[in-house]
Amino acid sequence: RKEVEQDPGPFNVPEGATVAFNCTYSNSASQSFFWYRQDCRKEPKLLMSVYSSGNEDGRFTAQLNRASQYISLLIRDSKLSDSATYLCGQHGSSNTGKLIFGQGTTLQVKP
Amino acid sequence: GAVVSQHPSWVICKSGTSVKIECRSLDFQATTMFWYRQFPKQSLMLMATSNEGSKATYEQGVEKDKFLINHASLTLSTLTVTSAHPEDSSFYICSARRGQGRVYFGPGTRLTVT
Repeated sequence: RKEVEQDPGPFNVPEGATVAFNCTYSNSASQSFFWYRQDCRKEPKLLMSVYSSGNEDGRFTAQLNRASQYISLLIRDSKLSDSATYLCGQHGSSNTGKLIFGQGTTLQVKP
Repeated sequence: GAVVSQHPSWVICKSGTSVKIECRSLDFQATTMFWYRQFPKQSLMLMATSNEGSKATYEQGVEKDKFLINHASLTLSTLTVTSAHPEDSSFYICSARRGQGRVYFGPGTRLTVT
């Protein structure tokens, strides 16, 4: 079983839609979780950290569920510019800075 | 924000040759850097952790004699792909950790081996 698993999609949604991605992880000792956005042929860019209490940044909301070992990302009012691949990542349990990523979920927002 | 650069941004080489990729933290010192590889439509896979002044730590399944890592200074780590073959063609991305905090990614190097 992979350490971090995501549905690769693609998710095709119209502009203005709300879309949610989930990501499951197997390492229960991990302390830190993140969502990254990656555009085609570019490096990943940090979108937001994920906390148990939930984290909201504008149209984006991230949530961590430790009991079920998954993290989620909710995007409201999708824009064309949100089209990208979204990677969930977790730090290893020893806080080395090593990031383990899921395979990414591709989002395509259409007009 | 912090800046990490990679050089070259893309490279084409012939099978059997070696290629060196540089990763630099431009405005901070990084005792730890990481090297990832990403094949098309796949995720970033961690290859190794590069530690300044000591040997790199390789992930399971990554050949340390094929992917040579040198982290000789606090701002530079290099990855050398030795005797490259077409199956080594990939997108190589480094990241640098600022102290004990956040990691910053370089822009990546696209390697094509013909």
